[in-house]
Amino acid sequence: DQQVKQNSPSLSVQEGRISILNCDYTNSMFDYFLWYKKYPAEGPTFLISISSIKDKNEDGRFTVFLNKSAKHLSLHIVPSQPGDSAVYFCAASGTYRDDKIIFGKGTRLHILP
Amino acid sequence: GAGVSQSPRYKVAKRGQDVALRCDPISGHVSLFWYQQALGQGPEFLTYFQNEAQLDKSGLPSDRFFAERPEGSVSTLKIQRTQQEDSAVYLCASSSGHGEYEQYFGPGTRLTVT
Repeated sequence: DQQVKQNSPSLSVQEGRISILNCDYTNSMFDYFLWYKKYPAEGPTFLISISSIKDKNEDGRFTVFLNKSAKHLSLHIVPSQPGDSAVYFCAASGTYRDDKIIFGKGTRLHILP
Repeated sequence: GAGVSQSPRYKVAKRGQDVALRCDPISGHVSLFWYQQALGQGPEFLTYFQNEAQLDKSGLPSDRFFAERPEGSVSTLKIQRTQQEDSAVYLCASSSGHGEYEQYFGPGTRLTVT
């Protein structure tokens, strides 16, 4: 049973527009949520995170929103740039720091010129 | 500073062979994780070390998989008698162990079992 779900395998967005990537989770014990970005033949790169006690975290062009009641989070990228084309993984971690991370299957984002 | 490095980057093994995959974590990082990523999937947890202690090996798929970190730095993931279903990218990640949730990943080793 998948605990972290990314239901959109791919997404295409025009350059300069907003990209919104969605993620749902099932385990209410998750304490921390992360987004990773992955280019081909490279390992995942940490992008942004949010604690379960917050509902929004912003870092430059990237904002993550958390809706605990809906067990839903989203990553907004504004404005989208060509270098944002990559696979984005939503991930969650448990109560203990240094706990294993549970990943979704990823969403491939294509930024169109 | 240097990130997480893994070697080899690519490994082709014949079914039944043993393989050893190496991970060099970020210097000073206490925590080290191994993940397996199958094609089209997200990384899946295999095992976790804090220094030299293996605290969680619940994700290892069978007793053919073995990991060690004898001196609390470099780690080796060993797979004995490889099977075709072991073909995947094996990712190593490290974190500081000082209250961080974020893990920093290496480039991975792509294992192909023929």
